[in-house]
Amino acid sequence: TQLLEQSPQFLSIQEGENLTVYCNSSSVFSSLQWYRQEPGEGPVLLVTVVTGGEVKKLKRLTFQFGDARKDSSLHITAAQPGDTGLYLCAGITDSWGKLQFGAGTQVVVTP
Amino acid sequence: SQTIHQWPATLVQPVGSPLSLECTVEGTSNPNLYWYRQAAGRGLQLLFYSVGIGQISSEVPQNLSASRPQDRQFILSSKKLLLSDSGFYLCAWSQNYGYTFGSGTRLTVV
Repeated sequence: TQLLEQSPQFLSIQEGENLTVYCNSSSVFSSLQWYRQEPGEGPVLLVTVVTGGEVKKLKRLTFQFGDARKDSSLHITAAQPGDTGLYLCAGITDSWGKLQFGAGTQVVVTP
Repeated sequence: SQTIHQWPATLVQPVGSPLSLECTVEGTSNPNLYWYRQAAGRGLQLLFYSVGIGQISSEVPQNLSASRPQDRQFILSSKKLLLSDSGFYLCAWSQNYGYTFGSGTRLTVV
């Protein structure tokens, strides 16, 4: 059973369109992180959200942490082919700082 | 700056053979170290983590073991590989909850 549920599993859109990826759980997280992974490489950290209701923006990417710190979303505005990748959310639930990952959302942006 | 090295990048091993994957971190001291395994195109499963030399915690019972002989060295091992051990293995380190991943090892057991 996955602690973090991501949806959708796969998303294919045209360049210039917007997209949103969701990450949901019944558990409360002390912090939640989003990563992007290219094929054959390790995940790269995009953002960490800590406070319930927090919104962070990274150029065309907007990250939101739910008020109850159980869910998060990633919104990409005017997607570009360079946004293609596997997007992973991961949450920290204990004092050791262990990350628990969602199954990921594969995003494909075609020109 | 901190860097993490993981090798080899790819490995093809026969069933029943031993395994040793190495991960080293530079530019930091006393990091938390982690081994993850990833199924094709999916999320990461935590296998082992270590908060100090000689200290290893296992998350999932399996055919693998881990060791931390030095502060910045983390090794993943197996005495006899199974077909089900195939996958993409990632080493990571963290301090203050910021994670940095290595480039991974693609292991294929044949």
